[in-house]
Amino acid sequence: GIQVEQSPPDLILQEGANSTLRCNFSDSVNNLQWFHQNPWGQLINLFYIPSGTKQNGRLSATTVATERYSLLYISSSQTTDSGVYFCAVGMYSGGGADGLTFGKGTHLIIQP
Amino acid sequence: DAGVIQSPRHEVTEMGQEVTLRCKPISGHNSLFWYRQTMMRGLELLIYFNNNVPIDDSGMPEDRFSAKMPNASFSTLKIQPSEPRDSAVYFCASSLRGYNEQFFGPGTRLTVL
Repeated sequence: GIQVEQSPPDLILQEGANSTLRCNFSDSVNNLQWFHQNPWGQLINLFYIPSGTKQNGRLSATTVATERYSLLYISSSQTTDSGVYFCAVGMYSGGGADGLTFGKGTHLIIQP
Repeated sequence: DAGVIQSPRHEVTEMGQEVTLRCKPISGHNSLFWYRQTMMRGLELLIYFNNNVPIDDSGMPEDRFSAKMPNASFSTLKIQPSEPRDSAVYFCASSLRGYNEQFFGPGTRLTVL
């Protein structure tokens, strides 16, 4: 099956710093999502981005599908950004949606 | 709009007991997914349904696990008999055909003693 690798596995930053999280995947996909798992365990949708670039406030994401990677940018970090960031990929076949394959996540800690 | 609803939020049971987890997808969504999260294996897909029909159950770990979707607004994941290694957080997610993006429920934290 498809492999998803995220880097770095852990990241500790001071409040106000910027960061870039990377997701590499081993095969073609037409579904790529970034999630934030908060300290309460909720999986929060950040981006649905199988290709291209999107921005939402201090967060932005870019996926280069032909090179099989995606990047999540966090600017001006806040303590509430702490948690685990997951990249997940899948294929949609037209007959219906397919399940997601998750990476192991990047554990981000923002210190005040 | 209500998101994906899961119940119970927490379940503690003893080995050998039957456990039933419930999920209500977002209204109008026609794909439903069950995932499990553990420290050792991370987040993994167990089974998913399109239009109430099971499509891929290759992620279901053993015959002790079964899932049903009797109608478009309800699904269950059953473990019988439960074992301590089944302890995990079980997530349900749904998506709308043609839009791909999956939305997750809050999860059920299962502890099997």
